Amino acid sequence: DIQMTQSPSSLSASVGDTVTITCRASQDISNWIAWYQQKAEKGPKSLIYAATSLQSGVPSRFSGDGSGTDFTLTISGLQPEDFATYYCQQFDTYPITFGQGTRLE
Amino acid sequence: QVQLVESGGGVVQPGGSLRLSCAASGFTFSTYAMHWVRQGPGKGLEWVAFMRHDGTTIYYADSVKGRFTVSRDNSKDTLYLQMTGLRSEDTAVYFCAKDRMDIVPTSFDYWGQGTLVTVSS
Repeated sequence: DIQMTQSPSSLSASVGDTVTITCRASQDISNWIAWYQQKAEKGPKSLIYAATSLQSGVPSRFSGDGSGTDFTLTISGLQPEDFATYYCQQFDTYPITFGQGTRLE
Repeated sequence: QVQLVESGGGVVQPGGSLRLSCAASGFTFSTYAMHWVRQGPGKGLEWVAFMRHDGTTIYYADSVKGRFTVSRDNSKDTLYLQMTGLRSEDTAVYFCAKDRMDIVPTSFDYWGQGTLVTVSS
């Protein structure tokens, strides 16, 4: 199985900050990665797919980058509603696997 | 708007069975692949199962293979997960998720709110 390693596991930031979360795949996954946001007691919400494509309705302060094995999710100008847990997911190879999550607080 | 509403969770004894449902609306259900994903208490996300739009291709995580069965009724816009031989490690919130595509598993553009399954004696 492809391992997805996210870093950091938790991150402290303030409103207005720019933060970057990293996800590293254990093998080349091209650009087959997605990013999700999850708030407590809720289902995840899609943010980015195919490494850089923004899900419809998601604010442009969210952006994704990378290819191969190294990927980033950047949030530029944190808003209060952005404090949540973020997950990466690879869909290059069965089985689908997720990173362990990054808690933004 | 797209809505996915899971139901059927509850408390079940080890070795027991449970059937989850996911009612879909706001999109043409029969033209999209669907998934089940779970999240154990305080844990991350674990993909469980995939079903192609027409039900002809199914994939399972090794952890549930042989015990769980995914199905769908496109006439009722509903996805199901039949769970048997339940174990304590199956305790989780189960989410259904819509794939962006119809045939192969990709990423999920919409998720439900989840239904809690607790396996305990």
